[in-house]
Amino acid sequence: QITLKESGPTLVKPTQTLTLTCTFSGFSLSTSGVGVGWIRQPPGKALEWLALIYWDDDKRYSPSLKSRLTITKDTSKNQVVLTMTNMDPVDTATYYCAQRPSVWGAFDIWGQGTMVTVSS
Amino acid sequence: DIQMTQSPSSVSASVGDRVTITCRASQGISSWLAWYQQKPGKAPKLLIYEASSLQSGVPSRFSGSGSGTDFTLTINSLQPEDFATYYCQQANSFPLTFGGGTKVELK
Repeated sequence: QITLKESGPTLVKPTQTLTLTCTFSGFSLSTSGVGVGWIRQPPGKALEWLALIYWDDDKRYSPSLKSRLTITKDTSKNQVVLTMTNMDPVDTATYYCAQRPSVWGAFDIWGQGTMVTVSS
Repeated sequence: DIQMTQSPSSVSASVGDRVTITCRASQGISSWLAWYQQKPGKAPKLLIYEASSLQSGVPSRFSGSGSGTDFTLTINSLQPEDFATYYCQQANSFPLTFGGGTKVELK
């Protein structure tokens, strides 16, 4: 059974850096083709893809947020970490991590999400 | 970036109805399209991948079609548990992009 779970702070102040961890089980991020992505959803709004890391450490970012995002993986710990710098109230959202089981695939398994509020 | 446009943004329907949601890509994406269902307070759930392939465990009343730029999600015989918001997502190229969502509401 594949599971993913996001963890991190629920409240951050403007200008701070957000660090979110996705801890997963049931698959290996060293398996060819596999990726883990981050997607966010502001309250009442649509989904927005943020970043993706592949088994071979290839990393992809949303162009609009690329300067603020870093995605890394720790295969031994089954974790993927997303950092987002210079947080702003507009970054208030639920942040999800999800598995992409193949290079061209959809996100087939999602974590439950973690709500992050940016406020002073 | 490939823009994904869903229509309608909301639809009112009754149990037993057939509901059709469309998704249009701003450029061709072959069949690299996924559909997700999201209920309030829950994570999205994959329904359809590669435009028309039903994800394991998803009821057969859900079906997807299309290729290139125009895609459709059809729900046959709408069930009470199908009232939710549906999103399309293109998987053809980066950045990955989602549609704006279609909320299926009870009439």
